[in-house]
Amino acid sequence: GAVVSQHPSRVICKSGTSVKIECRSLDFQATTMFWYRQFPKQSLMLMATSNEGSKATYEQGVEKDKFLINHASLTLSTLTVTSAHPEDSSFYICSASAAGQKETQYFGPGTRLLVL
Amino acid sequence: SQQGEEDPQALSIQEGENATMNCSYKTSINNLQWYRQNSGRGLVHLILIRSNEREKHSGRLRVTLDTSKKSSSLLITASRAADTASYFCATEWDYKLSFGAGTTVTVRA
Repeated sequence: GAVVSQHPSRVICKSGTSVKIECRSLDFQATTMFWYRQFPKQSLMLMATSNEGSKATYEQGVEKDKFLINHASLTLSTLTVTSAHPEDSSFYICSASAAGQKETQYFGPGTRLLVL
Repeated sequence: SQQGEEDPQALSIQEGENATMNCSYKTSINNLQWYRQNSGRGLVHLILIRSNEREKHSGRLRVTLDTSKKSSSLLITASRAADTASYFCATEWDYKLSFGAGTTVTVRA
């Protein structure tokens, strides 16, 4: 149980285009989802927290207009990187937690984004 | 924000040996969690220790927590080649996780 999937697993795009990454909880309802980014050989940095049906809360230094997060249902959250630039190339990982179990996050397999 | 620091950054051991890594943090926590990440993959949750606990075991894993020193340790006993991965500690506060820099463990066959 508690499986989280991400799609796509890797994506290459041209500079200036937008990329959407999906995060799905497959066997539980995720009241809260989190988005992280991870640079090579570094730790995960929390970008934003989203609760189903409400606006995402962004961490300091994360541009909300550049990283659009939508959490429209209890099983799906999307991260859209708008007008992507090479410096946005990174590993993006989502996680999800269920109601009543908010201290436990279940992580997706990650999406590797390469912006050319 | 990242608040955990892990030590060592990298560790290479022989199969069968024990691996110990440490994590220090700076602020208040509800619990501390350890995760494993294989190269280029997502995170696998290993163990959670609450702020009022001092030690916890799960299979070959042993975690300690010293809140007075704001530190934790993860011990993997009788290591296997499959334990080769990066290990991260993460502190939880207000349902948010802050990750340490990670320890890369290589287990030689």
